[in-house]
Amino acid sequence: ILNVEQSPQSLHVQEGDSTNFTCSFPSSNFYALHWYRWETAKSPEALFVMTLNGDEKKKGRISATLNTKEGYSYLYIKGSQPEDSATYLCAFNFGNEKLTFGTGTRLTIIP
Amino acid sequence: DTEVTQTPKHLVMGMTNKKSLKCEQHMGHRAMYWYKQKAKKPPELMFVYSYEKLSINESVPSRFSPECPNSSLLNLHLHALQPEDSALYLCASSQEGVAGDEQYFGPGTRLTVT
Repeated sequence: ILNVEQSPQSLHVQEGDSTNFTCSFPSSNFYALHWYRWETAKSPEALFVMTLNGDEKKKGRISATLNTKEGYSYLYIKGSQPEDSATYLCAFNFGNEKLTFGTGTRLTIIP
Repeated sequence: DTEVTQTPKHLVMGMTNKKSLKCEQHMGHRAMYWYKQKAKKPPELMFVYSYEKLSINESVPSRFSPECPNSSLLNLHLHALQPEDSALYLCASSQEGVAGDEQYFGPGTRLTVT
């Protein structure tokens, strides 16, 4: 069983500040890495899918990078807004369609 | 329409009851998934249907019985559940059911077994 760690577990950020958090994995033997945003009482929302070492993806103020050689992915949020408050999950495909989720980072933006 | 809907939103059932969870999508996706999420834990895969055939069963107890009547609908039939089965049950769908497919999730059914 692959151990997918996310850090920090929770994070409080002042509105307007930028922030980032990490998804760590011990092996590059996977097909794709996904990032999801999950707001309370809503559906998990797909942000990015990345497959290649060095991949960088961007959607508005949110971006992500993937480093398979060193075993991590970063998610960056620039100029945090209250609507960014959510739990951010990374997840992996290991050769098939099953997603194995990380432990999540709970982000709270302080107005 | 990029929405996955799930009914009911909440369900309370006794250990001797039989109930069903329903999931629906109209995006033309050919793969549908059931995940279970316990409090403070990440979602865990239970079943995958691809082209209306069961393709993955993650050794789920037989008291959970999935059904895919057509490519838009996914049911989870529940019978003789235990209190430890109380959890959030999430449904998802994806285009083809292959690695790298973006999965679209519903909001979940919060199940409480008494």
